[in-house]
Amino acid sequence: QVQLVQSGAEVKRPGSSVTISCKTHGGTFDNYAVSWVRQAPGQGLEYMGRVLPVLGSASYTQRFQDRVTITADKSTRTTYLQLRGLRSDDTALYFCARALPWDPWLDWGQGTLVTVSS
Amino acid sequence: EIVLTQSPGTLSLSPGERATLSCRASQSVSSTYLAWYQHKPGQAPRLLISGTSSRASGVPDRFSGSGSGTDFTLTVSSLEPEDFAVYYCQQHGIPPITFGGGTKVEI
Repeated sequence: QVQLVQSGAEVKRPGSSVTISCKTHGGTFDNYAVSWVRQAPGQGLEYMGRVLPVLGSASYTQRFQDRVTITADKSTRTTYLQLRGLRSDDTALYFCARALPWDPWLDWGQGTLVTVSS
Repeated sequence: EIVLTQSPGTLSLSPGERATLSCRASQSVSSTYLAWYQHKPGQAPRLLISGTSSRASGVPDRFSGSGSGTDFTLTVSSLEPEDFAVYYCQQHGIPPITFGGGTKVEI
């Protein structure tokens, strides 16, 4: 049984940065890509990027490539999403999900609410 | 990137009725890489269908998927109360991975 456990809710000021974690419990870690998506209030799911721990390489969508860094720590089986230059429209529920690189996403974290407000 | 357009945006139905959800891609998607997810408020999305038509483990057989090329469909044969949710299609074969905008199935 694989479980992804995300860090808790965050409240941030505009212009600051936030780092969210996603720890994988059970299963294999290295060969599974961990992806990040977000859902803004009233909006759909938006894919941000992913990391493949075995390679340590990450890829990002064009929309986020200048503001997002996704990393993986194999020793703690934890993946991190850092989002910089926060704006009010970054207020959203952020999810991590795990899958083999070309597979659909079966395992999901519980979500982390990030609120950006002055 | 491949744009997925879902229709309708909202589907108002009653329990027992049939729901037909559409997902249209801006370019051809291999059927292997088309998935459907169910998303309820406050929960993580749940994988329903992979490879266009294969139900994920534990998914009731009232859910079915079909399609090819640029047109894909999720059908719920007879809605149960717990099926009222938002449904997303996803293509995960051609980077970047993309999602459709979602279809809300409401009572």
